Amino acid sequence: ILNVEQSPQSLHVQEGDSTNFTCSFPSSNFYALHWYRWETAKSPEALFVMTLNGDEKKKGRISATLNTKEGYSYLYIKGSQPEDSATYLCLSVSWGKLQFGAGTQVVVTP
Amino acid sequence: DAGVTQSPTHLIKTRGQQVTLRCSPKSGHDTVSWYQQALGQGPQFIFQYYEEEERQRGNFPDRFSGHQFPNYSSELNVNALLLGDSALYLCASSFSDNYEQYFGPGTRLTVT
Repeated sequence: ILNVEQSPQSLHVQEGDSTNFTCSFPSSNFYALHWYRWETAKSPEALFVMTLNGDEKKKGRISATLNTKEGYSYLYIKGSQPEDSATYLCLSVSWGKLQFGAGTQVVVTP
Repeated sequence: DAGVTQSPTHLIKTRGQQVTLRCSPKSGHDTVSWYQQALGQGPQFIFQYYEEEERQRGNFPDRFSGHQFPNYSSELNVNALLLGDSALYLCASSFSDNYEQYFGPGTRLTVT
């Protein structure tokens, strides 16, 4: 894989449901994988910075896992709330290259 | 503590003109990265400045150039503007080897 790909492009979640989505990234020359949350009319905000294979990070109801050998990361939202509605971006950092995915837009409906 | 600031907020330019966008990093940060975000796409990495030098560069033509000043603030210059340069330009700062990025509010550039 040469580019960073996120799937799905968008998803609608009922309040209270859990969801997850994927970021695929080039595994060669890997340095770090970041997740950002971008709410409308705000600046992207860092959620996690992950560097080690098998790494798992958690912030409240949001968690992420990392597999550097196969080049993917999952972001999980447990018990989605309307305030979780945002675009979630992953950023692949490798030697000499920073690449964002196109993002997964999450809409949580009450 | 001021976060990352960018100016101007909005800008309208004509095709062929030149534009300069400005960014002040978060206090304590020494690295500034610039991104272009076109509608419906994720941010595309333009370049990164550290110690007043361009450290990394994405796939952008030479029309895109930058500068970092001794106080770590940065400018992005775009020459010979094209309609396709219309986008949101984001600046992000970080501290050296810690790549967690703090983003500014962006500058919306419209080229007519």
